[in-house]
Formats: sequence, structure tokens, C-alpha cells
Amino acid sequence: AQSVTQPDIHITVSEGASLELRCNYSYGATPYLFWYVQSPGQGLQLLLKYFSGDTLVQGIKGFEAEFKRSQSSFNLRKPSVHWSDAAEYFCAVRSNFGNEKLTFGTGTRLTIIP
Amino acid sequence: DAGVTQSPTHLIKTRGQQVTLRCSPKSGHDTVSWYQQALGQGPQFIFQYYEEEERQRGNFPDRFSGHQFPNYSSELNVNALLLGDSALYLCASSYDVSPQHFGDGTRLSIL
Repeated sequence: AQSVTQPDIHITVSEGASLELRCNYSYGATPYLFWYVQSPGQGLQLLLKYFSGDTLVQGIKGFEAEFKRSQSSFNLRKPSVHWSDAAEYFCAVRSNFGNEKLTFGTGTRLTIIP
Repeated sequence: DAGVTQSPTHLIKTRGQQVTLRCSPKSGHDTVSWYQQALGQGPQFIFQYYEEEERQRGNFPDRFSGHQFPNYSSELNVNALLLGDSALYLCASSYDVSPQHFGDGTRLSIL
């Protein structure tokens, strides 16, 4: 069975500082990987995805993520955070066959301090 | 181009009642998935509909059922509501292997 672990429940960073959110997955083959962001009271917005190819993927809002097969990780990074980045971030995994269910981590809440 | 739309936005029910939640997929999408997100948790997969059939189901009891219509819109029905069913219910749509796009959800509160 596939699973996702986000070890950091809550992270606080200063505005303008760099950010890295951790994600580890468990899956038998190479999965499809996603990062979604959720603002309070809203649904999930797709930040970026990894299907195959270049292991460093670029997303919206200046985010990027790197797939490391040897570490079963897909960490999200941003070089300089903005106050508007404060939200809940979810890593998700899906099989690479068809459009099957997403399995999500428990999320990381990001707080930005001025 | 409208994204995924869900209705209603909020709903309050009492234990034992039944509820129906609705979802219209993004234009061009033919697959609808439903997720339950409890407070402070990640979304949990309930089931997925494609070509008006339930294609995949998560670990949810039979009290949770669904339907997909010919225009690809979908309903989620929950019978005999329990306090533990209080959550944000998210609908996501997709086409082929494309990423799933989510609506803003329906907040269901059980009293």
C-alpha cells in the first residue's frame, strides 16, 4: 500500500527566508508525486507534479521540488518566502497507472513571521 | 473556464440524518473523485467515478455512496450520519492521467 509521511507538522519561517518542506513516500514502483497548498477554508491548489524525467520540477508561485528515488523523498523548496505563502501544504502520491486515488500526507502548516 | 464547483458550501445536520453533496467537474474532465478531510488531517479517498461507474473505493462504510451523471457531475450521499462524519468533503476532477483539480469543498457539521 502506498503512504506519505510529512514529518513536520508546523514550520515557522521569516519572510524572505528560504523554505524546505519534507515529504517521504512509500510505493512499490516509481510513483506520480504532487504538492498541493490549502489556504484556510479553501480547497487544494496544485503547486507542482512529478511524473517522469527531470527530477527537479518547477511549479507555480516560485516553488520547486526534487524527486530523490534513493531516499524516497520529494521535498518542496522556495528560495524566499512571502507572507502570502502561509498555508497548509500537502504532499501526495498516486500510482503511475491510470488516474487512481491520491494518498496524502498529514500536511505541514507554514507560518510566516515578519 | 469554471473550475470544480461544489454545493452547498456549508451544511449542518443532526445524527441519523442523510445528506447529499454535489460536484460539477472542470470543463473537459470526465473523472470525479471524492475525499473526506477531517480537521487537522490530510484528505482521505472515499471513491472515484468514471463513465457513471464507481471505479475505485477507499476504506469507507457502505453508508457512503455516490453517483455520476451523463454530464460527468457527481453526488456524494451519506446515510445515518454520525458525529464522526463532520469534515470538509472535497471533490476533485481529472481527465486521463492529468492531475486532479479540487473544488473548495463542502463543510459538513453534525450536531
